[in-house]
Amino acid sequence: DTGVSQNPRHKITKRGQNVTFRCDPISEHNRLYWYRQTLGQGPEFLTYFQNEAQLEKSRLLSDRFSAERPKGSFSTLEIQRTEQGDSAMYLCASSIRRDRGAPGANVLTFGAGSRLTVL
Amino acid sequence: GDSVTQMEGPVTLSEEAFLTINCTYTATGYPSLFWYVQYPGEGLQLLLKATKADDKGSNKGFEATYRKETTSFHLEKGSVQVSDSAVYFCALSGSARQLTFGSGTQLTVLP
Repeated sequence: DTGVSQNPRHKITKRGQNVTFRCDPISEHNRLYWYRQTLGQGPEFLTYFQNEAQLEKSRLLSDRFSAERPKGSFSTLEIQRTEQGDSAMYLCASSIRRDRGAPGANVLTFGAGSRLTVL
Repeated sequence: GDSVTQMEGPVTLSEEAFLTINCTYTATGYPSLFWYVQYPGEGLQLLLKATKADDKGSNKGFEATYRKETTSFHLEKGSVQVSDSAVYFCALSGSARQLTFGSGTQLTVLP
């Protein structure tokens, strides 16, 4: 299966610790997105990359959060000094950038997510 | 900015009942509209999409029509099954390149 892969699927950590999540997108997809989803809510956009360039960051992405996509393939999302409010599902998605005017929507394919619990 | 307002749940139906989940949106320009579904323990999956006014997206018996005049994209299915039990999210892709999601509607179908 060549879908979007996320690791680890579950992470339990103590407040103040650092955590890192990894996302492997679909190989031919040049766009990669990170979202956060809390219980009973829809996913909220955090950031996205086109190839290795981080093109947009949400105001939700505090200074404790950093995302990288060093070679334009996999991406990592690191949360430093975790807080209980960081407990959520972190979703990764990928898509193909279409040329301007090309038909079709920007369809995102999501991974299964990485669930973070901060104690 | 872009936003999506979705019918609040949870929604509980009997098998073979008719389903409607309302979705309205606010966006500038001409967004693309989507319905995603999240089954228990799984990731979000694209259910259907529509890219311009009056387009009808359909998949697995579900349908939704892009209504620009009412800024709506309501999800419908004529006869639901137990296996349709999931959380359904309406979303749009507008001037920003990312998806903006509604808060989701939990559907439970009873046998």
